[in-house]
Amino acid sequence: AQSVAQPEDQVNVAEGNPLTVKCTYSVSGNPYLFWYVQYPNRGLQFLLKYITGDNLVKGSYGFEAEFNKSQTSFHLKKPSALVSDSALYFCAVRGYDYKLSFGAGTTVTVRA
Amino acid sequence: EAGVVQSPRYKIIEKKQPVAFWCNPISGHNTLYWYLQNLGQGPELLIRYENEEAVDDSQLPKDRFSAERLKGVDSTLKIQPAELGDSAVYLCASSLGTWTGEDTDTQYFGPGTRLTVL
Repeated sequence: AQSVAQPEDQVNVAEGNPLTVKCTYSVSGNPYLFWYVQYPNRGLQFLLKYITGDNLVKGSYGFEAEFNKSQTSFHLKKPSALVSDSALYFCAVRGYDYKLSFGAGTTVTVRA
Repeated sequence: EAGVVQSPRYKIIEKKQPVAFWCNPISGHNTLYWYLQNLGQGPELLIRYENEEAVDDSQLPKDRFSAERLKGVDSTLKIQPAELGDSAVYLCASSLGTWTGEDTDTQYFGPGTRLTVL
């Protein structure tokens, strides 16, 4: 069975600074990896995904993620964080059974 | 393009009462998912439909939960009777399909229904 770990419950950064949200995964076969963001009282919004190809994936709202097969990681990054990026971020991995397995989430707070 | 629509957004019931949630997926999306999200946790899959067929319901507590997608479009998730532990957010998602492609298997989520069982 596949699984995802998000080692940080919370990440706090100042506006304008780089933002990194960490994710490691475990899956049999090729990994299909996703990042979603959730704002209060809203559903999950798709940010980006990795299927194959370039290890650096670019997504919505200036976010990108770096796939590292040897470290089984898929960290989410943004070069310059905004206050509006404050939200709950989920990493997910899709297994052979098409099921998405989510991490517990990381709360990002960007202070002005 | 309209996103995934869910109703109601909030529901408060007493334990042992029945409750139903409705979901309308993005137009043209063949695959529909119901997830359960407990506070402070990531969503967990309850059931996946391919058109009108439930192809993965292994995580659905079938003693009290049921779901249907009769015409392969919108879907209903029911709990009867509800228990205190069912208080959570119920999310619906849809995707074009499940085969890997540029956007085919990306799941798009609705706003969810927050259920409170008293």
